[in-house]
Amino acid sequence: DIQMTQSPSSLSASVGDRVSITCRTSQYISNYFNWYQQRPGKAPSLLIYQTSSRRTGVPSRFAGSGSGSEFTLTISGLQPEDFATYYCQQSHTPPPVFGGGTRVEI
Amino acid sequence: EVQLVESGGDLVQPGGSLRLSCAASGFTFGNYVLHWVRQVPGKGLEWVAGISWHAGSVDYADSVRGRFTVSRDNAENSLYLHMNSLRPEDTAMYYCIRERDQCRASMCHEFGYWGQGTPVTVSS
Repeated sequence: DIQMTQSPSSLSASVGDRVSITCRTSQYISNYFNWYQQRPGKAPSLLIYQTSSRRTGVPSRFAGSGSGSEFTLTISGLQPEDFATYYCQQSHTPPPVFGGGTRVEI
Repeated sequence: EVQLVESGGDLVQPGGSLRLSCAASGFTFGNYVLHWVRQVPGKGLEWVAGISWHAGSVDYADSVRGRFTVSRDNAENSLYLHMNSLRPEDTAMYYCIRERDQCRASMCHEFGYWGQGTPVTVSS
């Protein structure tokens, strides 16, 4: 199975800050990479698919980048509703594997 | 609006069985690949199983292969997960998921729509 390393596991930030979350994969996966947001008590929701495509309705402050085996989610101008846990996931080779999550805290 | 509503989660003893159901609406059910993903409370996400739109292709995580069976009824717009030989480590919230878009391959693993989950607890 492809291994995923997501960092950091948690971070503290303030409203208006710019933050980045990174995932590295153990194998080349082209651009088959996705990001999810999970707010407390809720199901995860898809934010970014195929590395950099924003899901319809996702604000432009969320941006995905990367290729190959290193990927980044950047949130520019944190809003109160962005404080949540973020997961990365590879969709290149079964089984699909998620990263361990990054908790973004105030 | 896409809706996925899971049911069937319960407290069950180790070695027991359970069937989870997912009722879908708001889209042409038979056109989409579906999955189950689970999450231990306070922990990360683990893909469990997937089934192609025509049920001709199914796949499982190694941790459940041989114990769990995924199936679908396109006439009833329903997805199922039959779980046998349950273990304490199967305790989790189980989510029903539809792929983001129609997938030309057997499965694309882009988890576009999630239900709210149904909790399974395996304990004596």
